[in-house]
Amino acid sequence: EVQLVESGGDLVQPGGSLRLSCRTSGFTFGDYGLTWVRQAPGTGLEWVGFTRSHLYGGTSEYAASVEGRFTVSRDDSRGIAYLQMNSLKTEDRGVYYCGRGRTYGGVKYWFDYWGQGTLVTVSS
Amino acid sequence: AIQLTQSPSSLSASVGDRITITCRASQGIGNALAWYQLKPGLTPKLLIYDASSLQSGVPSRFRGSGSGTDFTLTITSLQPEDFVSYYCQQFNSFPLTFGGGTKVEI
Repeated sequence: EVQLVESGGDLVQPGGSLRLSCRTSGFTFGDYGLTWVRQAPGTGLEWVGFTRSHLYGGTSEYAASVEGRFTVSRDDSRGIAYLQMNSLKTEDRGVYYCGRGRTYGGVKYWFDYWGQGTLVTVSS
Repeated sequence: AIQLTQSPSSLSASVGDRITITCRASQGIGNALAWYQLKPGLTPKLLIYDASSLQSGVPSRFRGSGSGTDFTLTITSLQPEDFVSYYCQQFNSFPLTFGGGTKVEI
């Protein structure tokens, strides 16, 4: 059974840092892309970042709102993806979800399995 | 970035109704569109990918159509568990983007 479980959400002050984890099981994590998406209270889904599998270079992509502050990384041997969040702002608050990427040729990705989310609160 | 305009933002319906949600892209994206269902406190669920391909395990009452810039999600006969929120997402190019969401209410 494919499973993704996020953790690491917490209350942090503006300007602080936090690292989220996405632990996966039930599939060969290294063969899949992995995305992070968030939902602030009362708003819709916002894409945050994405990491490609080693099959397609292992590179990452980011939303403009987090570029330079957030970093997506992965440990294929342990089946875990990370979202390192630095210089946090109040607008970064919300539930963060990770999702498994599907693709035909490493160019376009949609996401077929998701975790239950972890809550990040940024407040002084 | 490609913008997705989803409408309506909310709608009221009854069990058994047929409803349609639209998603318009700011530029052509071929068929690189997915639809997700989001229930409060639960994991997002993929319903449709490639604009019209039904994800395995998803009931056939969910139907996606469209290409280019205009897409629709149709639920042919609403069930009680369908009264939640729905989002479109384009995967034609990065940055990936979502529509603003549609909340389906009783």
